[in-house]
Formats: sequence, C-alpha cells, structure tokens
Amino acid sequence: QKEVEQNSGPLSVPEGAIASLNCTYSDRVSQSFFWYRQYSGKSPELIMSIYSNGDKEDGRFTAQLNKASQYVSLLIRDSQPSDSATYLCAVERGDDKIIFGKGTRLHILP
Amino acid sequence: GAVVSQHPSRVICKSGTSVKIECRSLDFQATTMFWYRQFPKQSLMLMATSNEGSKATYEQGVEKDKFLINHASLTLSTLTVTSAHPEDSSFYICSARGGRGGEDSPLHFGNGTRLTVT
Repeated sequence: QKEVEQNSGPLSVPEGAIASLNCTYSDRVSQSFFWYRQYSGKSPELIMSIYSNGDKEDGRFTAQLNKASQYVSLLIRDSQPSDSATYLCAVERGDDKIIFGKGTRLHILP
Repeated sequence: GAVVSQHPSRVICKSGTSVKIECRSLDFQATTMFWYRQFPKQSLMLMATSNEGSKATYEQGVEKDKFLINHASLTLSTLTVTSAHPEDSSFYICSARGGRGGEDSPLHFGNGTRLTVT
C-alpha cells in the first residue's frame, strides 16, 4: 500500500459547485495533514493544514480529518475556474518527514 | 508569511557537470529542510532531509554521493547534483520548516529549480 493515496482524476466540477477531494494514508501515527495546490510548472502552495479529527474551515475551503479511518478530504465550495489545478495531499509521518500523494487534477468547468 | 527563496529558478547544464541549488529561509530559522524532486505529471518525491549541522538523511534509492546536501546554517541548505546526466533533468523543490512538526511548523516551499541536462 502506498503511503498517501489520491485519485489522480481528472475531476471535473461545474463552476459554482462543490469540489470534493479525497486522500487516504497508511501511517497510523501521522499527526499532521496538509493540502497543497500546484499549478502547472509552479511550486506547491499551502491551502490548508489540519491536525485534529473533524472539520476545519477557511473561506471556501474545508478540510476534514478522520484518523480512525486514515482519511483526509478537502472540500472547495463555490468552485471557480481559478481553482483548476492539481491538489496534493501531504502527510507527516512519524519520523517528521512529509510525504505527498500523487495529486488529483481538478478541472472547473466554466 | 514565511518565505523560502530558491535559486536558480532554471538551469541548463551539460552532461557531466555539477549544479548547485540554494535554498534560503528568509524570515525564519529552518531547523529542517527537505529536498523534493518532481518529474512531469508526477508527484513530489522526497529525496532527502537535512537538519542544520548534521548529515542529511536520504530516502531509499537516492544516491547520496550524487546528490550532495549541505545545511550549514539555520537559513541555508544547498543541493549539488554532481556529474549530472540527462535523466537527472527534473524540477527540484526545497522546503523548510521552523519547528519540530505539528501546528507550529507547516512546510514552506521554494519556487523550485528546473534543471535541464543536455
């Protein structure tokens, strides 16, 4: 099993709708979880970080964490064309290293 | 917010030469820096972790003698690709964090270095 798994997509979502991105991880002792957005040819930028079970909201973004199920998700409300990018799920392992999933390509349809 | 500066942003070199990439944390002390490599349409692959003043730890399959990492100060880490070959062409990204993990130290990325070896 890969350490961090994501559906590669592409995920196509109409403008204004909710985009839902999912991620599972294998290291049970992981405590820190991150969502990054990466535009083509650019470096990743941090969207959300989450450390406790439950939901964390920041503007149009909501991160959800369920440690028992080893599952992290990111919801994007009122999706905009500018949200079209690759979204990377990252998990901090027990050895403090941060490992990335392969990313989900999100395409917002105008 | 925290800023990580990475230079150069692009470099083209001939096969067999060495290339040095610098990563600086501009407004915080980076106790740990991570070096990632990303091939086209692939995710970030962790190459090595460097802690200030100690030897870097390399991920499995990464040649430590080929990818030399130095983290001599709390604000600077360098990656040197020695005797570069065309298969080393990739997007190299450094990242830094100030604490030991958790809520006080998210990962901040440099803008990356596009290396092309001809």
